[in-house]
Amino acid sequence: GENVEQHPSTLSVQEGDSAVIKCTYSDSASNYFPWYKQELGKGPQLIIDIRSNVGEKKDQRIAVTLNKTAKHFSLHITETQPEDSAVYFCAAPNNAGGTSYGKLTFGQGTILTVHP
Amino acid sequence: SAVISQKPSRDICQRGTSLTIQCQVDSQVTMMFWYRQQPGQSLTLIATANQGSEATYESGFVIDKFPISRPNLTFSTLTVSNMSPEDSSIYLCSVDGFDRGTDTQYFGPGTRLTVL
Repeated sequence: GENVEQHPSTLSVQEGDSAVIKCTYSDSASNYFPWYKQELGKGPQLIIDIRSNVGEKKDQRIAVTLNKTAKHFSLHITETQPEDSAVYFCAAPNNAGGTSYGKLTFGQGTILTVHP
Repeated sequence: SAVISQKPSRDICQRGTSLTIQCQVDSQVTMMFWYRQQPGQSLTLIATANQGSEATYESGFVIDKFPISRPNLTFSTLTVSNMSPEDSSIYLCSVDGFDRGTDTQYFGPGTRLTVL
């Protein structure tokens, strides 16, 4: 099955700075990589995702980059704001058993704190 | 996006009792999943809830402990049986975008369970 490692576990930045969170995965067949934001008391919410046929995807202040050769992908948040403070999870398909549709393996999570 | 609701939103239970968690989706979906999120931890897939057949459990999870029902394409239940304090977690249901032609996976708000 897929193994996903996420770093750092905690990240503290000043408002307006950039934040970068990195994940590595083990299964070279994985082709879909979502990022989720989980605020206190809520379920995870998808913020951006990328498929393996592209190297980068942007959505306003958020971007994700993918390096298939090195098997890692990163979340970039620019011009951070206090409301970006949350736990962020990366994920990759869980291909164990030959079928993976919808099954995800999650990274360990990063607690992002943006100080005003 | 799919709108997912869960009941109850939280509960405090006594050791040895059981709790059934409900998950309702606003439209028919093929794939529904149940995840566990232990305090301060990442998400771990418990099982895939299959409509009209038994759930498919991940390694480390068994039907006797976590029986699942999926009576139709918009509803599922997860029961946490014979609870112990180690079962204190957030339980999340999710659906994927298979029926919408996307990989996106949507999560419910979660059920926060405390076992005393």
